[in-house]
Amino acid sequence: SQQGEEDPQALSIQEGENATMNCSYKTSINNLQWYRQNSGRGLVHLILIRSNEREKHSGRLRVTLDTSKKSSSLLITASRAADTASYFCARRGDTGTASKLTFGTGTRLQVTL
Amino acid sequence: DGGITQSPKYLFRKEGQNVTLSCEQNLNHDAMYWYRQDPGQGLRLIYYSQIVNDFQKGDIAEGYSVSREKKESFPLTVTSAQKNPTAFYLCASSTTQGDRSPLHFGNGTRLTVT
Repeated sequence: SQQGEEDPQALSIQEGENATMNCSYKTSINNLQWYRQNSGRGLVHLILIRSNEREKHSGRLRVTLDTSKKSSSLLITASRAADTASYFCARRGDTGTASKLTFGTGTRLQVTL
Repeated sequence: DGGITQSPKYLFRKEGQNVTLSCEQNLNHDAMYWYRQDPGQGLRLIYYSQIVNDFQKGDIAEGYSVSREKKESFPLTVTSAQKNPTAFYLCASSTTQGDRSPLHFGNGTRLTVT
């Protein structure tokens, strides 16, 4: 079952602007991961942040995690048309079957020229 | 190049027929997973396998079956008992059962049942 949601569901920005997507969850996590999906394709792993980390960077990506609020955000800076895709957060719980990842419903990002 | 291959990319079946989706990986990963994705939705876990000859039900296993006879292969059978089988099916793998292993995905099979 879904354990959280991303918002917004859809986001449209112009090239060069920053895009921020948020992810909320309900239960304790071991780590949280962000994935990207181009239309009709599989998902590609972008970045992983552990529960004891607050911020992580990878190129133009910045991820934050606030475990007290059970939320994470993904910031894409200086967006490009090629960033157009759906972005999903996935939570790995800290108890039970550790091999399961629970995905949110995703944010559809459209970057226009 | 290492990766996950799902075949076919598109699959059409008549209602009442079983159909098997192929998933092969050459990444030497222990764990493999099947997810289902419906339009505008997130991914829902169908089955997963952490080791050869062993697999566990995910959140929506009813109407599906799997096998894991080889490390490289994790085929998914969509049976006639699955009430709404039309969907996009994604196979994934990861290195270990470990908590920090990201998933590597194939490019999916789009199944249409009429």
